[in-house]
Amino acid sequence: DIQMTQSPSSLSASVGDRVTITCRAGQSISSYLNWYQQKPGKAPKLLIYAASSLQSGVPSRFSGSGSGTDFTLTISSLQPEDFATYYCQQSYSTPHTFGQGTKLEIK
Amino acid sequence: EVQLVESGGGLVQPGGSLRLSCAASGFTFSSYEMNWVRQAPGKGLEWVSYISSSGSTIYYADSVKGRFTISRDNAKNSLYLQMNSLRAEDTAVYYCARVGVVITTYSYYYYMDVWGKGTTVTVSS
Repeated sequence: DIQMTQSPSSLSASVGDRVTITCRAGQSISSYLNWYQQKPGKAPKLLIYAASSLQSGVPSRFSGSGSGTDFTLTISSLQPEDFATYYCQQSYSTPHTFGQGTKLEIK
Repeated sequence: EVQLVESGGGLVQPGGSLRLSCAASGFTFSSYEMNWVRQAPGKGLEWVSYISSSGSTIYYADSVKGRFTISRDNAKNSLYLQMNSLRAEDTAVYYCARVGVVITTYSYYYYMDVWGKGTTVTVSS
């Protein structure tokens, strides 16, 4: 199985901040990397697929980059509704493993 | 409106069985691959099982292989997860999710673009 490791596990930031979350794969996964946002008690929501493609309806302040083993999710200017937990997921090989999550909290 | 609605969760004793259902609406269910994903209390997301659009290809996580069975009925726009020999560690919210795909010249990029709200399974005596 491919291990996905996110950093940091938690992060405190303020509205308007630029935030970057990192995801590292245990082996090269090309661009087979997705990002999801999950709010408490809610289902995950797809933000980014294929490492850098923005899902329809997702605000442009979200962006993804990377390939191979190292990936980033960037929020250019944090909004109050962005405080949530973020997960990366590889779709290179089954099982399509998730990272452990990064909880983004209000400072 | 594109929608997935899970049902069938509940409290079950260790060793027991439960069948989860996922009702799809607002899209052509028979054209899409589907996943089950679960989340234990306070924990992260865990992919559980995959089924192709026709049902001919199926995958399971090692943690559920031999105990869980995924299936679908395209005529009823429904996805199922039969869970047998349940253990305490199967306690989780179970989500069904639609698999989307972007196809390029050389690659198939898979992702989960529509999720249900989840159904809670509690395994406890």
